Amino acid sequence: QKEVEQNSGPLSVPEGAIASLNCTYSDRGSQSFFWYRQYSGKSPELIMFIYSNGDKEDGRFTAQLNKASQYVSLLIRDSQPSDSATYLCAVSTSNTGKLIFGQGTTLQVKP
Amino acid sequence: DGGITQSPKYLFRKEGQNVTLSCEQNLNHDAMYWYRQDPGQGLRLIYYSQIVNDFQKGDIAEGYSVSREKKESFPLTVTSAQKNPTAFYLCASTKGTVDTAEAFFGQGTRLTVV
Repeated sequence: QKEVEQNSGPLSVPEGAIASLNCTYSDRGSQSFFWYRQYSGKSPELIMFIYSNGDKEDGRFTAQLNKASQYVSLLIRDSQPSDSATYLCAVSTSNTGKLIFGQGTTLQVKP
Repeated sequence: DGGITQSPKYLFRKEGQNVTLSCEQNLNHDAMYWYRQDPGQGLRLIYYSQIVNDFQKGDIAEGYSVSREKKESFPLTVTSAQKNPTAFYLCASTKGTVDTAEAFFGQGTRLTVV
C-alpha cells in the first residue's frame, strides 16, 4: 500500500462546476496535510494546508480532513479553465518536515 | 525578493558523467530537500538536510550525493552510479522541521541523459 494515494485521473469537470479531489494516507500519526498545484513543466505551488479535523476554506478552495478515516480532500468551487493542472496531496509524518507526496490528480476544466 | 533558485533549468548529461545541480535559498530556512519527479508521478525524496553540515538519505538516495556547507546552499550531484537519471529535479526548503512547516519549491532542473 502506498503511503499517500490519489486517483491519477484525469478528472474532467465543466467550467463553473465543483471539482472534488481526494487523497488517502496510511500513517495514522500524520499531522499535517498539504495540497499543491502543479502546472505542466512547472514546480509545485502550495494552495492549501490543513492540520485539524474538519473544513478549512480559502476563497474558492476548501480542504477537508478526516483523521479517523485517514482521508483528506480538496474542493474547488466555480472551477475555471485556469484551474486545469495536477494537484498533489502531501502528508507530513514526522518532525523532520519531510513530505510524502501522492502521485497527483490531473484536473481538466472544460469551457 | 526571497526565494529558492535552482540552476541550470535544463541539463544534459552524457553516460558515465557526474553532474551537479545547484540550489540556493535566501529565505533563511533551516531545512532543505531534494525531490525527483518522473512523468506522471509524484515527488520522491532523495536527500534532506535539517542543519548545516548534516544531511540524511531519503527514499531514493542511491546514485546521488549532497553537501550542506552553508545554510543557503544544498547542491545535488547525480553520479554515474545513477542508472536512470533523466527526470525533473526539485529543491525545496522549510523554515523549520516541525510538522507544520510549509515547503517552498525552486523552479526545477530538467536533467536528460544523452
